This record gives sequence, structure tokens and C-alpha cells, in this order.
Amino acid sequence: EIVMTQSPVTLSVSPGERVTVSCRASQDITNNFAWHQQKFGQAPRLIIYGASNRATGVPARFSGSGSGTEFTLTISSLQSEDFAVYFCQQYHHWPYTFGQGTKLEI
Amino acid sequence: QVQLVQSGAEVKKPGASVKVSCKASGYTFTSYDINWVRQATGQGLEWMGWMNPNSGNTGYAQKFQGRVTMTRNTSISTAYMELSSLRSVDTAVYYCARAARPLGAPFDIWGQGTMVTVSS
Repeated sequence: EIVMTQSPVTLSVSPGERVTVSCRASQDITNNFAWHQQKFGQAPRLIIYGASNRATGVPARFSGSGSGTEFTLTISSLQSEDFAVYFCQQYHHWPYTFGQGTKLEI
Repeated sequence: QVQLVQSGAEVKKPGASVKVSCKASGYTFTSYDINWVRQATGQGLEWMGWMNPNSGNTGYAQKFQGRVTMTRNTSISTAYMELSSLRSVDTAVYYCARAARPLGAPFDIWGQGTMVTVSS
């Protein structure tokens, strides 16, 4: 099983700040990689797929980069609605696996 | 609009089974795969398995082999996930999520989730 390790687990930030979240895969997953956003009490929402492609309707302040085993999610200027938990996911090999999540808090 | 709507919350006793439904609308049900993911309270996301609604083919995570069954009814664009021999550790929110083909595509649409509580 491919293990996805996110860092940090929690990030204390302020609106307007630039945020970077990292995710490492235990083996090469090329770019079969996604970021999902989950707000409290809601289902996850796809925000980045193919490591660097924004999903439909996702604001341009969200960007993704990386390939192979190292990936990064960047939010250029944090908005109040961006406070949530972010999960990385590999869909390269079964079983598909997720990172443990990174919580953005004020 | 494209959406997946799941059935309501369930409370089950240990040893029982639960069947969760996931109704697709706004797209051709048989053209996309359905995955099932669960999340225990305050925990991360755990992939359970996959189904091709066109063929009915399935693939399950080893952890759930023998306990999970994924089926579909194409006439009503609905996928089902049945989990048997329930234990307290199966208490979680269960999500269905759509993925394009071929295998190895992101989960682009998620259902709203179904809370399953296992308690005596």
C-alpha cells in the first residue's frame, strides 16, 4: 500500500497569508495525485487533480505542483472560506490512499 | 447539476449489515465509476472499493474483502454499498464518489455522506 504523509498536521494562519502544504508518497505515483478540501460537517471537494490542475470552479489562488513522490498545495492569499482540512490522495494504485489531513486554523 | 445523493443515517447493532445507496443525477450513470470511502469521526479518509456501473465489475480493498459488496441498479442510476458483520469500529460517515475512466482518475464528485452508527 502506498502511504501518503502530509505536513504539517495543523497550520495556524491568518487571512491574506500564503500557505503551503506538503504531501509525500512512499513510492512513485507520477502525477496521479489530488488535493481535496473538506469543511466541517461537509463532504470532501476536489480542488486539484493531476498534481497541478484546478478542478472546475476552484479559484486561481489555489495551485498544485510536484510529481513522483513530492507534492505541494499552495494558497496564494488565504481567504476566510479556505479554513478547512486538506487531504492529499493518490489514485495511481489500489488501494487508493489519502494523507492524514492538514487543518488550517486561525 | 451533477450530483450524488446518498441515503439517510443508519443505526445498526453489532453483527448486522447496512446497505447505503448513492443516486446519481445530471450525467450518464454508466459512464463513470463509483468509489466508496469512509471516515470515522475526526479521522482521515479510507478507500473501500470501486465499481464500474456499466459492467458491474468491482474491486475491494483487502481490508474489506468478504464483508463488503458493491452493486448497482442502472434503471434508477443508483449504486449500493453493503457492509456486513458490523462492529463498533465501522461507525463512520460513508461517502460515494465519482471517477472518470479508465482506472486512475480523480474523484471529482462526492455524495453528501451517510452516517452509520454501530451500537448495541
